[in-house]
Amino acid sequence: QKEVEQDPGPLSVPEGAIVSLNCTYSNSAFQYFMWYRQYSRKGPELLMYTYSSGNKEDGRFTAQVDKSSKYISLFIRDSQPSDSATYLCAMSGTSGSRLTFGEGTQLTVNP
Amino acid sequence: GAVVSQHPSWVICKSGTSVKIECRSLDFQATTMFWYRQFPKQSLMLMATSNEGSKATYEQGVEKDKFLINHASLTLSTLTVTSAHPEDSSFYICSANGLAGTTGAYNEQFFGPGTRLTVL
Repeated sequence: QKEVEQDPGPLSVPEGAIVSLNCTYSNSAFQYFMWYRQYSRKGPELLMYTYSSGNKEDGRFTAQVDKSSKYISLFIRDSQPSDSATYLCAMSGTSGSRLTFGEGTQLTVNP
Repeated sequence: GAVVSQHPSWVICKSGTSVKIECRSLDFQATTMFWYRQFPKQSLMLMATSNEGSKATYEQGVEKDKFLINHASLTLSTLTVTSAHPEDSSFYICSANGLAGTTGAYNEQFFGPGTRLTVL
């Protein structure tokens, strides 16, 4: 069983839709939870990070962590075609330590 | 700030040759650098963790004699794929973290743009 599970999609939505991306994990030692966006043939870029449980909002993006359920989510409001990319969740036990990535969800936002 | 570069961005080589990939932190000192590989439509798999001036720590299943990592300075790490074979064709990505994190308490890893290796 993988430490981090993420539905690879693909996920296709119309412009303006709310997108929900999720990951589950099995390692209770994870404390830092990140969402990365990766465009084709590019390196990942950090969108948001959350420490422990809770919610965090940044513009159109909201990250949620439920440690009791070992479940994290990323919501994208008012999705735009420029949001089309692969979204990867990642986790670590301590700040700056090795990351364990989910498989990535390929998202397409259609104009 | 916090830019990580990789060179080359893509490389094609013949089977049996060695290829060196450089990873540089351009505007900060990276105490730790990580090397990942990514196959098409798959996630990033950590290959090794390297700290400046010490030997790299390899993940289980990664051949340390095949994937040589050198982290000689706080701004440069290199990955050498020795005696490359077609199955080594992949997207190699490095990341670096240090004291340049811009996200508060979290010591962020900054990723390079990746190097696409094709072995014929």
